[in-house]
Amino acid sequence: NAGVTQTPKFRVLKTGQSMTLLCAQDMNHEYMYWYRQDPGMGLRLIHYSVGEGTTAKGEVPDGYNVSRLKKQNFLLGLESAAPSQTSVYFCASSFGTASSYEQYFGPGTRLTVT
Amino acid sequence: KNQVEQSPQSLIILEGKNCTLQCNYTVSPFSNLRWYKQDTGRGPVSLTIMTFSENTKSNGRYTATLDADTKQSSLHITASQLSDSASYICVVPYNNNDMRFGAGTRLTVKP
Repeated sequence: NAGVTQTPKFRVLKTGQSMTLLCAQDMNHEYMYWYRQDPGMGLRLIHYSVGEGTTAKGEVPDGYNVSRLKKQNFLLGLESAAPSQTSVYFCASSFGTASSYEQYFGPGTRLTVT
Repeated sequence: KNQVEQSPQSLIILEGKNCTLQCNYTVSPFSNLRWYKQDTGRGPVSLTIMTFSENTKSNGRYTATLDADTKQSSLHITASQLSDSASYICVVPYNNNDMRFGAGTRLTVKP
């Protein structure tokens, strides 16, 4: 039981390049989330999904897209990376709504955009 | 403004000593409050979840308190160990799927 895993762990991009971050969970959770964590700030919600085939915007969705084609996977895409997207990205999952159920977090992906 | 503020930003204590971390929130309506531990380079891990009716909740050497009237919570760590060195994050749900995270308190335990 690996819990929540994220790929890759580290990545350096040049401005304008694109990439996809992969999140996978093996707990059969319906809800999945993408957050970013910046120095001196709390985690902020980018996008989330309440089930396979559904996605919704969070607090800071601009510049990102997501897809949930399979229940166990949640992909975060950056179409044209900008230096402001330099951050640590965390994926999380929960059995039900985050407000009522415990969230389980992945180990994070450290992204640097130069 | 539906925020979570934590203090202090950082704290250094000697191994074996106790410490208390503070969390103030303005999120409304209130449903529950969580404390997470985040080791360097890792994702947050839940320590405790407190509902409106709970004033105190313990998890080993960690004890969380909640005062819903003053919208304050604290996390007390007893007999600190080197492995307690981490960031401690206070979290309050804003709506069903949006959580408000504090910026965290970075605790360093020195031998």
